[in-house]
Amino acid sequence: AQSVSQHNHHVILSEAASLELGCNYSYGGTVNLFWYVQYPGQHLQLLLKYFSGDPLVKGIKGFEAEFIKSKFSFNLRKPSVQWSDTAEYFCAVTVTGGGNKLTFGTGTQLKVEL
Amino acid sequence: ETGVTQSPTHLIKTRGQQVTLRCSSQSGHNTVSWYQQALGQGPQFIFQYYREEENGRGNFPPRFSGLQFPNYSSELNVNALELDDSALYLCASSLAETGGFETQYFGPGTRLLVL
Repeated sequence: AQSVSQHNHHVILSEAASLELGCNYSYGGTVNLFWYVQYPGQHLQLLLKYFSGDPLVKGIKGFEAEFIKSKFSFNLRKPSVQWSDTAEYFCAVTVTGGGNKLTFGTGTQLKVEL
Repeated sequence: ETGVTQSPTHLIKTRGQQVTLRCSSQSGHNTVSWYQQALGQGPQFIFQYYREEENGRGNFPPRFSGLQFPNYSSELNVNALELDDSALYLCASSLAETGGFETQYFGPGTRLLVL
């Protein structure tokens, strides 16, 4: 069965700092990769997704992620964070042929300080 | 707005009781998935419904059951509630497509507290 690891559980940054959140998955086959965000008091929202093609994907609000197949990684990046990026970030994977069941990591709580 | 709605928003039950949670999928979507999110954890897949039939199940006991209706809305039923069932229950809808390139869109969740 596939699994997802998010190594940073809590991250605190100052506004304008750069962000990189780690995500690694374990599965030997073809995967689809997602980052979801949960702002305080709001529901899970899709930030970006990778199905195939260019391994560098761009999402909403200036976020991007790079799929590195050899490293089984899909790290999330943003060059300059804002206070409004304070939220919990979840990496998730589905397995092609696996019924589109999302397997989530445990999440990274990001706090951006003014 | 994702268009996925869930009811109720909050619920308090006692151990041993039964609960029904409801979900209306986003317009045009034909697949509904349910997840349980315990405090401090990522969502865990419970099961998925496609065309009114269960289409995949996670590691949850049979007392977790579901339904999907012809309008693609769905219910999650939990019998014999246990304290550990306290969690946020999330519904996600998607459009099943060839090749499996689906994106799931989540509702706001129902927070269940079992006392």
